[in-house]
Amino acid sequence: DGGITQSPKYLFRKEGQNVTLSCEQNLNHDAMYWYRQDPGQGLRLIYYSQIVNDFQKGDIAEGYSVSREKKESFPLTVTSAQKNPTAFYLCASSFATGTAQETQYFGPGTRLLVL
Amino acid sequence: AQSVTQLDSQVPVFEEAPVELRCNYSSSVSVYLFWYVQYPNQGLQLLLKYLSGSTLVESINGFEAEFNKSQTSFHLRKPSVHISDTAEYFCAVSRMDSSYKLIFGSGTRLLVRP
Repeated sequence: DGGITQSPKYLFRKEGQNVTLSCEQNLNHDAMYWYRQDPGQGLRLIYYSQIVNDFQKGDIAEGYSVSREKKESFPLTVTSAQKNPTAFYLCASSFATGTAQETQYFGPGTRLLVL
Repeated sequence: AQSVTQLDSQVPVFEEAPVELRCNYSSSVSVYLFWYVQYPNQGLQLLLKYLSGSTLVESINGFEAEFNKSQTSFHLRKPSVHISDTAEYFCAVSRMDSSYKLIFGSGTRLLVRP
């Protein structure tokens, strides 16, 4: 089945620790995205990538880093510089047709908690 | 800049009653409009979207939304809800002259009671 997988489902971070969230897709999509979701708020864009080896900062990139070495994979690292990392993280992907009308397909999410 | 406002954070409704979830947007350029649904502890799924043409768009599970350019609204409606419609609903916009960025509203939690 085609889709987006995220792992782990739950992740615990200790103070000062970097953690990496995995996102893999087999939809043959060029574009991938990372969003952060906090209670009572909409989704906010952290980073996005339209093509392999290229990515751009979203609205709240501080304290996060990404890589895009393969078309299928877009891992997100939450660094120790992110002081309030507790949130639900969602990965998405879409075709990259150069227009904004493409549907984004979302993974099941990773819930990050701070110990 | 674009913004999306969903004024109702929660909408309780009885099963088989009609429902309307409100969405208003602000943008200096033309936009595409989307409604996504999120079931508990899951990712988002596209419910419906307006790109062009008829201002009334429908989903396969009975929801519909109407684009009103003069009121900058894209309200979501369903004439008769089911318990299974209980979820959080997000309205989103993207600029027609830009690339891929979606701007989301804060979401409306639809709670269907028996």
